[in-house]
This record gives sequence, C-alpha cells and structure tokens, in this order.
Amino acid sequence: GAVVSQHPSWVICKSGTSVKIECRSLDFQATTMFWYRQFPKQSLMLMATSNEGSKATYEQGVEKDKFLINHASLTLSTLTVTSAHPEDSSFYICSATNEGDSYEQYFGPGTRLTVT
Amino acid sequence: QKEVEQNSGPLSVPEGAIASLNCTYSDRGSQSFFWYRQYSGKSPELIMFIYSNGDKEDGRFTAQLNKASQYVSLLIRDSQPSDSATYLCAVNIYFGNEKLTFGTGTRLTIIP
Repeated sequence: GAVVSQHPSWVICKSGTSVKIECRSLDFQATTMFWYRQFPKQSLMLMATSNEGSKATYEQGVEKDKFLINHASLTLSTLTVTSAHPEDSSFYICSATNEGDSYEQYFGPGTRLTVT
Repeated sequence: QKEVEQNSGPLSVPEGAIASLNCTYSDRGSQSFFWYRQYSGKSPELIMFIYSNGDKEDGRFTAQLNKASQYVSLLIRDSQPSDSATYLCAVNIYFGNEKLTFGTGTRLTIIP
C-alpha cells in the first residue's frame, strides 16, 4: 500500500516552454502533497506544500508564478514549470501523506527534467 | 547554522561490518525523525522513523535518538553491498505540521 506515482519519469523540453508533472497517490487519499527539487549531489529541497482544494504554500525563494501547483483532488497534484530555462533542469520529486498516517511521507519515483 | 546536519562522507565500510550514520538537528522542539535511503537517480525510500528517546530496531537497522543532545543516528549491522547509497536524515520540526527538513545526506559505500 501507499504507492505514489509520477508522470512523466523524464522529460526534455526546449527553453521557454512549459512542462506539467503529475503526482498521484494510487491506493490512498493524500491529505497533503509535497513537491521537492533535487540538484545533483544535493539534498531534497522542499518547493511547496499543497492541500486538496486550497492554494499551495511555497517555500521562501520559490517563485509561485513559475512553479504552478494544482491539487485538484485527494489523489492528484500537478506541478507546472512555466517558461522553463536550463537552470530549472533538475530531479523533481513529489511525496504524499496518508490521511490516517500523517507523519510518514510516501515518495513518488521522481521526474527528471532537462531543459535545452 | 543548518537545521539538519549530516557528514556528507563518503563513508566506506567493509562488508559485514557495522555502518554508523549520524545526524544533528538545531531545533530542540523537533518531534519526529526519519532515515531515508536514496540510490543514485532514484527517489528516497523510508528505512525507519523514531519519535522517542532511545533505540528502535528493525532487522539490521537500529535508529538511536537523543533529544537532549539533539542527535539521531542510524546503525546498519552486517552491511551488504546493496546498502551502498546516500542516507538522508529528515526531521519534522513543527508539531502537527507534516513538513520535513532534510539533511544533505551521507554517501555510504560498502566494500566487498
């Protein structure tokens, strides 16, 4: 149980275009979903926290107009990287907490974004 | 001062030996503590979590928490080559808030 999927697993896009990444909880309802970014040889940096039906809470330094997060249902959150640039190339990982087990975060497999 | 600190390594341990990974945190009010393992190019997977002072054992893994010293560790007994990975310490700092703060990770290599 507690499986989180992400789609796509990798994506290459041209500079200036937008990319949408989906995060789904497959067998539980996720009260909260988190979006992280990880650059090579660095740790996970939290970008934002999203709760179903409400606006995401962004961490300091993360541009909310560039990284659009939508949490439309208890099983789906999306991250859209708008007007992507090469410096946005990174490993994007989502996680979700189970409604009945709020302290443990279940991680998706990650999405490798490369902007050319 | 970083909120969660780990020695970045690399830490090399012979196969069959005990690997000891350490983590310190700055916020004395931190509530829960997690150890994740991350293989290269993959997302983190949870190994253990601990809330109370003392030791918690799960198979070959033992987590140790000392809130007075603001220190949490992970011991891996009978280390295997498959244990070679980066180990991330994560702390839930705010009670009732699920947000985790991660350390930078320790790269562990088990030498056959």
